[in-house]
Amino acid sequence: GENVEQHPSTLSVQEGDSAVIKCTYSDSASNYFPWYKQELGKGPQLIIDIRSNVGEKKDQRIAVTLNKTAKHFSLHITETQPEDSAVYFCAASYAGNNRLAFGKGNQVVVIP
Amino acid sequence: GAGVSQSPSNKVTEKGKDVELRCDPISGHTALYWYRQSLGQGLEFLIYFQGNSAPDKSGLPSDRFSAERTGGSVSTLTIQRTQQEDSAVYLCASSKNGQGISGYTFGSGTRLTVV
Repeated sequence: GENVEQHPSTLSVQEGDSAVIKCTYSDSASNYFPWYKQELGKGPQLIIDIRSNVGEKKDQRIAVTLNKTAKHFSLHITETQPEDSAVYFCAASYAGNNRLAFGKGNQVVVIP
Repeated sequence: GAGVSQSPSNKVTEKGKDVELRCDPISGHTALYWYRQSLGQGLEFLIYFQGNSAPDKSGLPSDRFSAERTGGSVSTLTIQRTQQEDSAVYLCASSKNGQGISGYTFGSGTRLTVV
């Protein structure tokens, strides 16, 4: 099956700085890579995704980059704000690309 | 509805009792997933329904766990003879998955505590 790993497990950044979270995956057949944000007491919410035919995608302060050769992808948050504090999960499709395997999550803390 | 609805939001049960967790997916979403999230852990896949196909049950941790999806819409996850290690947040998600996988929309989860 697919093995998705995230690092670092926790990340503290000063407000206004950038945050980068990296994930690696094992299944070379994976073709879909979403990122989710989970706030306390809520379900994960999709914030950005990328498919394997694209190397980078950006949406305002959030961007995702994908390196298929190295099998890793990263989430970039620029100009961080306190409301960016949350747990972020990466995921990769597997099993015929019918479902997602998730990493263990990163706790991001933005310090005002 | 506008989102994925799960009920109850919290459930405390005694060890050995059975529990039923309900998920109401987004209308028109053909794929429905159950995941389990233990404290400080990632999301563990449990079961996947796609349209009228037989469900993929490969993630269910034991035969005490079962799930069904009636009429291609509402799903219930049943845990029989609950154990303390079943305590977790159970998340349901739905997806369009028409031509290949698309992003899940998660519900807020059911927090299950077995005492």
